[in-house]
Amino acid sequence: ILNVEQSPQSLHVQEGDSTNFTCSFPSSNFYALHWYRWETAKSPEALFVMTLNGDEKKKGRISATLNTKEGYSYLYIKGSQPEDSATYLCASGNAGGTSYGKLTFGQGTILTVHP
Amino acid sequence: EPEVTQTPSHQVTQMGQEVILRCVPISNHLYFYWYRQILGQKVEFLVSFYNNEISEKSEIFDDQFSVERPDGSNFTLKIRSTKLEDSAMYFCASRVTSGVGEKLFFGSGTQLSVL
Repeated sequence: ILNVEQSPQSLHVQEGDSTNFTCSFPSSNFYALHWYRWETAKSPEALFVMTLNGDEKKKGRISATLNTKEGYSYLYIKGSQPEDSATYLCASGNAGGTSYGKLTFGQGTILTVHP
Repeated sequence: EPEVTQTPSHQVTQMGQEVILRCVPISNHLYFYWYRQILGQKVEFLVSFYNNEISEKSEIFDDQFSVERPDGSNFTLKIRSTKLEDSAMYFCASRVTSGVGEKLFFGSGTQLSVL
């Protein structure tokens, strides 16, 4: 059974603070790591898909890194804004199935940014 | 931007009843998925579907579950005889190709409550 873990479970920061959270995943048979941003009552929205060890991706104030050898990824948010408040989900894809869309999710990190 | 739409947003049913959850994936997407999240638990994979057949399914996806793409646009999940433990948020997702780095596009979910 694949286990993807995220930490912390929840995080409260002040507007303007920079923050980061962690996703750990099985490194065996790894092929992709997905990060999603999920606001209440909306669709989870893909932020990044990373496949290569050492990958770094950036989208505005949000960036992510990937270490496939040790099985972890970090998500960074620089200068947090109240609109960044959401649940951040990571999901790992590991070979063994027939579908690259079969992902194993972590439990999510709930970020609250206070004005 | 094109999006995955799901109906209804909430469904309440009695134990033992059949339910059909409906999804309209993005029009040029070829790979379709159902995931679910039981309250307080992780998002979990149910099934993937391509070329009018199931390509992969999880242990959860037993004989009570079925999927169908009855026409060129809808993708449905049927639960034949609902149980209390089927209560969850059900997400439909789609992607353009099977590529390893391809992101999934999720709908906003159907909250199923089985009484």
